[in-house]
Amino acid sequence: DQQVKQNSPSLSVQEGRISILNCDYTNSMFDYFLWYKKYPAEGPTFLISISSIKDKNEDGRFTVFLNKSAKHLSLHIVPSQPGDSAVYFCAASPWRTSGSRLTFGEGTQLTVNP
Amino acid sequence: DTAVSQTPKYLVTQMGNDKSIKCEQNLGHDTMYWYKQDSKKFLKIMFSYNNKELIINETVPNRFSPKSPDKAHLNLHINSLELGDSAVYFCASSADWEQFFGPGTRLTVL
Repeated sequence: DQQVKQNSPSLSVQEGRISILNCDYTNSMFDYFLWYKKYPAEGPTFLISISSIKDKNEDGRFTVFLNKSAKHLSLHIVPSQPGDSAVYFCAASPWRTSGSRLTFGEGTQLTVNP
Repeated sequence: DTAVSQTPKYLVTQMGNDKSIKCEQNLGHDTMYWYKQDSKKFLKIMFSYNNKELIINETVPNRFSPKSPDKAHLNLHINSLELGDSAVYFCASSADWEQFFGPGTRLTVL
């Protein structure tokens, strides 16, 4: 029972264009959502997060949108750069605190072509 | 000055062996985790410790036993290794909601 799903295993975009990565969840108890970025042979690194009381959070080129009624979130990267090429994981938690149980999606491989 | 480190990075072993993976964090965090990334690339939590106490224990075979000698270390012992244990194992730590991950240990069971 996969509670967090990233239905696109891969995405390819041109440098300078927008990248949109999608994530759907099924558990209505999830209250906090995070995006992690992972390069090969490295661990995931935190990118951006959003609480369920918001519908948008922005940090530089990265914006996360949350549609709670649709149980859907997306990560927008504008403009995309070749260095953004990595696997992006969506994760969700029922609360925002240390020790919270993160449930991850299966990841989307983003390739940004020069 | 790596924040979360794991050793070894690669581990190749035979079925039936017992092995350990070590994790250390120098961030002063109270909570540490072990995750498993299987062949389908899902990252799934296995265990979580807070101040050396077990707080999350997912449905993991009891061949897997975490040990936390102090709050900066969380080691993973695996007994009687099976083929299905082949995966990448990630250690992580957190002070609040943001979890910091180690580089992973790729375990291959032959």
